[in-house]
This record gives sequence, structure tokens and C-alpha cells, in this order.
Amino acid sequence: EVQLVESGGGLVQPGGSLTLSCAASGFSFSSFWMTWVRQAPGKGLEWVANIKHDGSEKYYVDSMKGRFTISRDNAKNSLYLQMTRLRAEDTALYYCARPFGGHDYGDFDYWGQGTLVTVSS
Amino acid sequence: QSALTQPASVSGSPGQSITISCTGTSSDVGGYNYVSWYQQHPGKAPKLMIYEVSNRPSGVPDRFSASKSGNTASLTISGLQAEDEADYYCSSYTRATTYVVFGGGTKLTVL
Repeated sequence: EVQLVESGGGLVQPGGSLTLSCAASGFSFSSFWMTWVRQAPGKGLEWVANIKHDGSEKYYVDSMKGRFTISRDNAKNSLYLQMTRLRAEDTALYYCARPFGGHDYGDFDYWGQGTLVTVSS
Repeated sequence: QSALTQPASVSGSPGQSITISCTGTSSDVGGYNYVSWYQQHPGKAPKLMIYEVSNRPSGVPDRFSASKSGNTASLTISGLQAEDEADYYCSSYTRATTYVVFGGGTKLTVL
């Protein structure tokens, strides 16, 4: 059974940093692109970043470039999102998601339960 | 402002059909056959309902269908059921300012 379990969320002050983790199981993690998607409270979905199966390519939404870093450890079947210089508008539920066909075309067939990041003083 | 435009809400009675539109540009919806649709119930993670414009993953009822014309994609739900009441999001692959863009979401109410 495919499982994605996020962790690492919490309350952080504006300007602070946080690293999210996503533990994957039940599939060949090293064969899939992986993606982070976030959802602000009461708002819609927002694609955040993705990373190629071998970590050689990474893409970010413009507003997060330079502040967020996506990475992965295929030996540990884990995905990460390092977030720095956090702003109030980064408050959201952060989901780890697996693309359906292996490459990220926006078609995510498995999602974690999400980890909540709250940026507030 | 979301990159893809969806109506904020739609409604229909049980047994009826509804259609949700998703309008983008030639840089996303119109440029690639990688439009997906998601269903999200309150407090739950999104569920993939459609991928590659019109394909249903295993387990998704055939009451859900989708298509694309130009820069607009559409999701149609026929034979509405109470459990279809949820938020629906479209997404599209793009290589413009980001990699994937989502619509703002549409709240479906089953009357």
C-alpha cells in the first residue's frame, strides 16, 4: 500500500525556518518525481515545488524561489522541504504528493495527510 | 489570483448533470494534454478523478468525465449523488512561470 506521511510542521515566527519531511512507502520511491503542494486555510491548492526522481532537477513556484529548497534521500525513501524567511502568507497545510505516471504533470494519485505550518508572532 | 479560472460554485439536484469549467491559456491548458481534476471533501486530501484531460484512474466512477477545447477544460458529473458534494480543482502542466498550476476550486453543492 502506498503511503506518504508528512511531518515537521508547527508554529514558527515570521522570518523563521522549518524543514518538512515526507516518508514514503509501498512503491519504488526512487522512480518517481515528487511534489509539494500547499493549501492555505480555507483556500485552494497551490503547487510549491517538485524534484526529479534522482534529484537532478528541481522546480519551484516563483514566489518561493530562493526561500524554499526541495530535496530527497532515496536511500531513506524521504522527501524534504526546507523553508526559510517564512512569511504569514506561507501559513498552510503542506502536502507531499506522488505523480501518477512517475513524472510531474500535475496528476497526483497519492497524497499524504498534510502537515500544518503556521507562521505567526 | 489562481492561474486557472474556475467558477466559485455550482449546484445541481441528485440525478442531474453538472459541468465545471477550467480556463487557462495556451501556455498551460491549451498547450498540453495534461489537465487533471481533483475532488476534495472537507478535511481530506484531494483525490485524483481525471488525468491527461479525460482519463479516469481505476476506481473512479464513469459518471465523471472530462474534456478539453482550446484553453478550456471541463469536468462533467452525471447522475449527481449526495457524496459528490465537495470542492473540485483542475490542474495543468505548464512551463511558464511555474511547473504545474491549479484552478481556484469550485464548490459543488448537491441540492
